Amino acid sequence: GQQVMQIPQYQHVQEGEDFTTYCNSSTTLSNIQWYKQRPGGHPVFLIQLVKSGEVKKQKRLTFQFGEAKKNSSLHITATQTTDVGTYFCAGRDSGYSTLTFGKGTMLLVSP
Amino acid sequence: DVKVTQSSRYLVKRTGEKVFLECVQDMDHENMFWYRQDPGLGLRLIYFSYDVKMKEKGDIPEGYSVSREKKERFSLILESASTNQTSMYLCASSSPGVALPYEQYFGPGTRLTVT
Repeated sequence: GQQVMQIPQYQHVQEGEDFTTYCNSSTTLSNIQWYKQRPGGHPVFLIQLVKSGEVKKQKRLTFQFGEAKKNSSLHITATQTTDVGTYFCAGRDSGYSTLTFGKGTMLLVSP
Repeated sequence: DVKVTQSSRYLVKRTGEKVFLECVQDMDHENMFWYRQDPGLGLRLIYFSYDVKMKEKGDIPEGYSVSREKKERFSLILESASTNQTSMYLCASSSPGVALPYEQYFGPGTRLTVT
């Protein structure tokens, strides 16, 4: 079945440093979603990417979908302590399938 | 304000007990999902439902069953709880979307401990 791999598993940065998490699929995706889970909380939807090569920005967050639609990344510029949490990508490989979640990247930001 | 609620935040059960986890959404969503979340393993889909009385197996359905008698309610059942079912259980719902799926809204989760 479809597999979605996410790296790194964990990253600890100083406030102000940049952060990137990468997501790779074993199959071509029809679309990919990103979620954030704060410590003790539940996953919350951030964004969805659909088109090959798509780039979307939300303030300091930049999301990219690869040209081949098999990989994606989330980049945070100048991290803040409020960025702490686990970031999950979730891909869908066809119109009738469910989402497959990556294992997530846990981000810790030190002030 | 959209809302997905789960019946308990914390639950402790004994091995062999029958366990019911309830999930209710107030957004009139057709799709509902049950995941379990374990450290290092991310979110894994147990069962999902696209309509009332309809259910489909996810990636790890063994040891679980579900029930969807009403559109807003999706129940997860552990017929005979075992210690390896100790986990965080997350319910989610979404609008129907085939070509372009909609975002999933998650409940707060139920942390189940089986002793």
